[in-house]
Amino acid sequence: EAGVTQFPSHSVIEKGQTVTLRCDPISGHDNLYWYRRVMGKEIKFLLHFVKESKQDESGMPNNRFLAERTGGTYSTLKVQPAELEDSGVYFCASSFGTVYGYTFGSGTRLTVV
Amino acid sequence: AQSVTQPDIHITVSEGASLELRCNYSYGATPYLFWYVQSPGQGLQLLLKYFSGDTLVQGIKGFEAEFKRSQSSFNLRKPSVHLSDDAEYFCAVVFNNAGNMLTFGGGTRLMVKP
Repeated sequence: EAGVTQFPSHSVIEKGQTVTLRCDPISGHDNLYWYRRVMGKEIKFLLHFVKESKQDESGMPNNRFLAERTGGTYSTLKVQPAELEDSGVYFCASSFGTVYGYTFGSGTRLTVV
Repeated sequence: AQSVTQPDIHITVSEGASLELRCNYSYGATPYLFWYVQSPGQGLQLLLKYFSGDTLVQGIKGFEAEFKRSQSSFNLRKPSVHLSDDAEYFCAVVFNNAGNMLTFGGGTRLMVKP
């Protein structure tokens, strides 16, 4: 089966620009998660979708971040406008049920200059 | 606050040597415990997990981990490392009151010398 796919794998943008990250979960996985790792810090939870609904978005840092999952399939994470501190690696994961079957993507490395 | 600590940021071992990576977590109740590995350019791959039962858990690639409730620890071990084990390792926890959310430790970068 295909894994969790994220693209782009790398993105370099200027401060103030907008970037959209995409995650394609494993087919049939209702649960989709976003995490990120900023330089030198731990991997931190951002939010959790169940199908198209946001189950938990307690980790979203501020209102410059907007996550969507239209139709309960792929998800996008938009950062607008991007700031320098948004640089890091953004991971997506999906699972069929609960945390038992978490599968992570390879991540998107975002650099804001 | 609930937290996960990996005390060793970097570890260097020789190929064939044994390995133990440490992980401690805060909180009283038994959480769900995981170890992930990230090789360069790759995603996070699950090595093993503990939910309940036998406190010694076997994983992929010859790794094992032992849950010690009294020490709030979940250390990862391997009797003989390979060059291919050169990667970053993350301990992660789902605390009982945190739904499906993983709380990660800071990671341990393992370098394996030939």
